[in-house]
Amino acid sequence: GDSVTQKEGLVTLTEGLPVMLNCTYQTIYSNAFLFWYVHYLNESPRLLLKSSTDNKRTEHQGFHATLHKSSSSFHLQKSSAQLSDSALYYCALGGADRLTFGKGTQLIIQP
Amino acid sequence: EAAVTQSPRNKVTVTGGNVTLSCRQTNSHNYMYWYRQDTGHGLRLIHYSYGAGNLQIGDVPDGYKATRTTQEDFFLLLELASPSQTSLYFCASRGDRGTEVFFGKGTRLTVV
Repeated sequence: GDSVTQKEGLVTLTEGLPVMLNCTYQTIYSNAFLFWYVHYLNESPRLLLKSSTDNKRTEHQGFHATLHKSSSSFHLQKSSAQLSDSALYYCALGGADRLTFGKGTQLIIQP
Repeated sequence: EAAVTQSPRNKVTVTGGNVTLSCRQTNSHNYMYWYRQDTGHGLRLIHYSYGAGNLQIGDVPDGYKATRTTQEDFFLLLELASPSQTSLYFCASRGDRGTEVFFGKGTRLTVV
């Protein structure tokens, strides 16, 4: 079945440094939809980015990601971390009738 | 703005107790989901449905039942609650494949 791997459970960075959160996936579907969701404490998880187009950069709120089907990857990046970026980030794979999430990466940005 | 409303927001019950978590969406979405969120495990799918009267088993269904009474309403039932079911539960809804999944604010369940 579908699976999503987020290797880093916790990433701690200093404000101003670049952010990169890794995501790889496995699926039998050639037309995969990949998503990044962000979950701030005491709020609902919400969509940050999504893509189904190979090698096309997708951007939103300063974050960007590129779906690479050749390596089954959809890494999340940001050029300069802000304190407000501290949150739990989920990579997810959209199947025919469900969304499969990775285990999440807790991002902590320190002053 | 898509809306998913969960109730209650917090619940404490005893081991062996009976709990029902409620979810209503006003998005006219076909798909509804119940997830639990636990540190180190992320969001895990318990049950889901693609319409009234339909139920599909997710990845961690043991100890849970669910029922979709209408397009809007999806319930999660714990008939003999155990401490291992202490968790943060999210309901979500979605339209067509590839579209955004919208989440409720979550229900924090504690089984003592």
